[in-house]
Amino acid sequence: DAKTTQPNSMESNEEEPVHLPCNHSTISGTDYIHWYRQLPSQGPEYVIHGLTSNVNNRMASLAIAEDRKSSTLILHRATLRDAAVYYCIPRKLSGGYQKVTFGTGTKLQVIP
Amino acid sequence: EPEVTQTPSHQVTQMGQEVILRCVPISNHLYFYWYRQILGQKVEFLVSFYNNEISEKSEIFDDQFSVERPDGSNFTLKIRSTKLEDSAMYFCASSPERGENIQYFGAGTRLSVL
Repeated sequence: DAKTTQPNSMESNEEEPVHLPCNHSTISGTDYIHWYRQLPSQGPEYVIHGLTSNVNNRMASLAIAEDRKSSTLILHRATLRDAAVYYCIPRKLSGGYQKVTFGTGTKLQVIP
Repeated sequence: EPEVTQTPSHQVTQMGQEVILRCVPISNHLYFYWYRQILGQKVEFLVSFYNNEISEKSEIFDDQFSVERPDGSNFTLKIRSTKLEDSAMYFCASSPERGENIQYFGAGTRLSVL
């Protein structure tokens, strides 16, 4: 599995944008970059994924560096509900089952 | 929106007792998983299950653990003789057979072994 590096923690003010970085310099050319998050006392939750192009969905945006060695998860307006641990995880697109290997992630604190 | 449901939300048991944790995966999903998270630690993979067989298991998933899909909707994790170190949050997840390799997790069962 490709190794990822994320800051242990970050802070953001409520209603401001948040950029959560992830380095994955050893990522395979066919691995997608997935982001999951885990709200306090909840199970992990899928956020977004992408391969090369930037991606948007209702939860967040994902900006992927041209060399694919890093990516940034963007929350456009942080809310208190976005306080969670965010995990950046390289994964194959498909191919049946594949376990999710969680690292320690980035703990995001949102300040009112 | 479909979701993975887990019961009970909290299970308290005595050391040495058997426990069964229950999960109802999303109805059209065919891959099922169990993970656990000891307090303050990472989420760890335990086992994956497909077509009524274990696809992969981790070193944690020893002979004390077993999984079963007893009917068309439930997926269970059994721990035969619980130890203090089995105290953790246990998460069930499921994913569809095809698609973008996204797993959907339940809210978890907190297992407390006394």
